[in-house]
Amino acid sequence: AQRVTQPEKLLSVFKGAPVELKCNYSYSGSPELFWYVQYSRQRLQLLLRHISRESIKGFTADLNKGETSFHQKKPFAQEEDSAMYYCALRYNFNKFYFGSGTKLNVKP
Amino acid sequence: DVKVTQSSRYLVKRTGEKVFLECVQDMDHENMFWYRQDPGLGLRLIYFSYDVKMKEKGDIPEGYSVSREKKERFSLILESASTNQTSMYLCASRARTGLHTEAFFGQGTRLTVV
Repeated sequence: AQRVTQPEKLLSVFKGAPVELKCNYSYSGSPELFWYVQYSRQRLQLLLRHISRESIKGFTADLNKGETSFHQKKPFAQEEDSAMYYCALRYNFNKFYFGSGTKLNVKP
Repeated sequence: DVKVTQSSRYLVKRTGEKVFLECVQDMDHENMFWYRQDPGLGLRLIYFSYDVKMKEKGDIPEGYSVSREKKERFSLILESASTNQTSMYLCASRARTGLHTEAFFGQGTRLTVV
């Protein structure tokens, strides 16, 4: 069965510090992974997808098939990065399985 | 600008009531989804529709049903609301074509069952 695990419910860092949000997955097929973000009182929106290998708002994520991970990193966290982050796995062509989420709190 | 619109932001219903949550998208997407979002549990898929009148159960369909009579509209129905269905409900849509297309979400409906 497919699974997405985000081991940290809450992550607190100071502004300017590096941040890493962890995501591990379990899937027998070829994985397609995403990071979604939900800022306070806003709708859930796409942040990163593994296929793009792009940097969005300073965040980058690498798919590591050997470790079955899709962690995302930012070298210098900003206060506006405070949000809820969800890792998601697309499976059965059209369905998405979401992790339980990590709340990032960037302190001034 | 893409739009997924849920009819209500907040809803309070009594136990045993029949509840309808409506979702409309204007992107001509084939796929539509209903999730519930609970702290510590993330998003869990309730139902999924891949075309008009077509539906598939998600991970937690018990106590829910859905209706997709038109392509742009996907309704979630709670036949007899219970307090354990108090939650945030999110609707999403996604195009069928394109392997790597993203899902777009509505703003959510916070349902409280008393």
